[in-house]
Amino acid sequence: EAQVTQNPRYLITVTGKKLTVTCSQNMNHEYMSWYRQDPGLGLRQIYYSMNVEVTDKGDVPEGYKVSRKEKRNFPLILESPSPNQTSLYFCASHRGGEQFFGPGTRLTVL
Amino acid sequence: SQQGEEDPQALSIQEGENATMNCSYKTSINNLQWYRQNSGRGLVHLILIRSNEREKHSGRLRVTLDTSKKSSSLLITASRAADTASYFCATRTSYDKVIFGPGTSLSVIP
Repeated sequence: EAQVTQNPRYLITVTGKKLTVTCSQNMNHEYMSWYRQDPGLGLRQIYYSMNVEVTDKGDVPEGYKVSRKEKRNFPLILESPSPNQTSLYFCASHRGGEQFFGPGTRLTVL
Repeated sequence: SQQGEEDPQALSIQEGENATMNCSYKTSINNLQWYRQNSGRGLVHLILIRSNEREKHSGRLRVTLDTSKKSSSLLITASRAADTASYFCATRTSYDKVIFGPGTSLSVIP
């Protein structure tokens, strides 16, 4: 089944404790993205990657890192999380058109 | 910055009525997409319209695109209670960034 998976689905952490949210897709898509969704703001793109070893900043990249060492994986790294990064995070992939979204990761930073 | 802006922010209609949502954007685009999201879950792609297209249909959905006005509309005909969700437009720019609007919350009353 074609899908995008994210882990964990829920995470509560404390300020400053490094964390990684994994994202994996099995559709051989070149393009992958990370978004955060906050009430009233819709989805905002954090980072995107056009292909392996190619990443670009989206609209809200501050406080986040990504890597794309393999086509299928696109982890999101928060080196020192802060409370303003409490949000719902989505990973997505596509190849030129329709985006396929993961189920989301709800992150709370205390 | 948010490129896509949906209008209205919230819409409540009776089952069987048509629902129209509008989206405006600011820069040139390669394509525009509409997505649906059920309460906190992943987004589901509805329809994609390319910058050289003016109208597209998919089942009960009709999307129009006016690049001169930088706007798009999504029409859902003969609405059903199951159409209750948030609807987002997303534009893909020439730099391959994807920008989502804040969404329209649609309630269809049985």
